[in-house]
Amino acid sequence: SQELEQSPQSLIVQEGKNLTINCTSSKTLYGLYWYKQKYGEGLIFLMMLQKGGEEKSHEKITAKLDEKKQQSSLHITASQPSHAGIYLCGADRGYNTDKLIFGTGTRLQVFP
Amino acid sequence: NAGVTQTPKFQVLKTGQSMTLQCAQDMNHEYMSWYRQDPGMGLRLIHYSVGAGITDQGEVPNGYNVSRSTTEDFPLRLLSAAPSQTSVYFCASSRDRGNQPQHFGDGTRLSIL
Repeated sequence: SQELEQSPQSLIVQEGKNLTINCTSSKTLYGLYWYKQKYGEGLIFLMMLQKGGEEKSHEKITAKLDEKKQQSSLHITASQPSHAGIYLCGADRGYNTDKLIFGTGTRLQVFP
Repeated sequence: NAGVTQTPKFQVLKTGQSMTLQCAQDMNHEYMSWYRQDPGMGLRLIHYSVGAGITDQGEVPNGYNVSRSTTEDFPLRLLSAAPSQTSVYFCASSRDRGNQPQHFGDGTRLSIL
């Protein structure tokens, strides 16, 4: 079973709309990472969250980690076509671990 | 500063053939890793290295070998290619282990016929 569940799997929104992507784990997350992937390219690091209740923003993207450190959300405000791609959450398997696990990704399409 | 460079970008192999996927980073990162990305399964860790001369297995190591003779390079070898190894392979690196965002290469798209 997948240790990190992402929802929704796919999202189609009109330009200008807000949207939220969720990443949920049954275990405590020691480090939570959000990446964006465009077709044919590698993953681009967006943000890292480590503390319960932590929130970070970059331009129109905000990521939050809940107090229990088992769920994270990625919120995009006023979406643009440039936001289109696959968003993946990743997490450390334990404290100071060598291994990173990933969710299955959320495919975002933004139409004019 | 090139970051993480993977070669080749595309490759088609026949079942049973062997090949090496190359990965190089110029950031002096200690930690390097290989993932495969398959539809509906996300990224799965194949092998990783915490420094030159040190490698270890990830989730799906069978059929793959790695070595780390230098800090910069971390090649992935397919010993005898199988159709189940058709996938997109990503190499990543970070400054050290754990609690670090990883830098990814652009991937190698591999098809095994």
